[in-house]
Amino acid sequence: DAKTTQPPSMDCAEGRAANLPCNHSTISGNEYVYWYRQIHSQGPQYIIHGLKNNETNEMASLIITEDRKSSTLILPHATLRDTAVYYCIVSPPGSSNTGKLIFGQGTTLQVKP
Amino acid sequence: DAGITQSPRHKVTETGTPVTLRCHQTENHRYMYWYRQDPGHGLRLIHYSYGVKDTDKGEVSDGYSVSRSKTEDFLLTLESATSSQTSVYFCAISGTSSSYEQYFGPGTRLTVT
Repeated sequence: DAKTTQPPSMDCAEGRAANLPCNHSTISGNEYVYWYRQIHSQGPQYIIHGLKNNETNEMASLIITEDRKSSTLILPHATLRDTAVYYCIVSPPGSSNTGKLIFGQGTTLQVKP
Repeated sequence: DAGITQSPRHKVTETGTPVTLRCHQTENHRYMYWYRQDPGHGLRLIHYSYGVKDTDKGEVSDGYSVSRSKTEDFLLTLESATSSQTSVYFCAISGTSSSYEQYFGPGTRLTVT
């Protein structure tokens, strides 16, 4: 499975867009990029996933570069409740669809007033 | 929020005693997972289930067993608890075409003294 690299921490001003980068330079053509977050003491929360096209839902947008070696999760208007650890995970689909998520250390996003 | 409950939410037990943690879902999802989370290690998969009576090991399965006799319940058993099993345990479920889109329970904090 492809590994990911994320900055350990980032700050963002409340109301501004938070852009969280993730490098996955060894990603294979059929591997998806997933994003989760974990607010302190709670279980992780699924945010979004994508293969190669940009994706948007009510929580966030996911921008994947054309070569698929990196991606950016965008929280368009960060609030204090978005303070959390954000995990970028690469997982294969199809016959390897076991759901074995491998969580790294993630990025701690601190949203400041 | 996905209908997932975990019980108990907190437990203190002594070394050598058996412990069973329960995960209950009301979503009729096929896949269920048990993770543990420890400082410095992040979330790690213990066992998972891809159907009733169908289970498999994760990356840290030693010392743990699981059972799934019906769709809604996934039990995690520590046959003889050790201090190294002090952790926060999360259950997750998935029922979509991608089992990597998982929804997590609130967690169980287990302390083995």
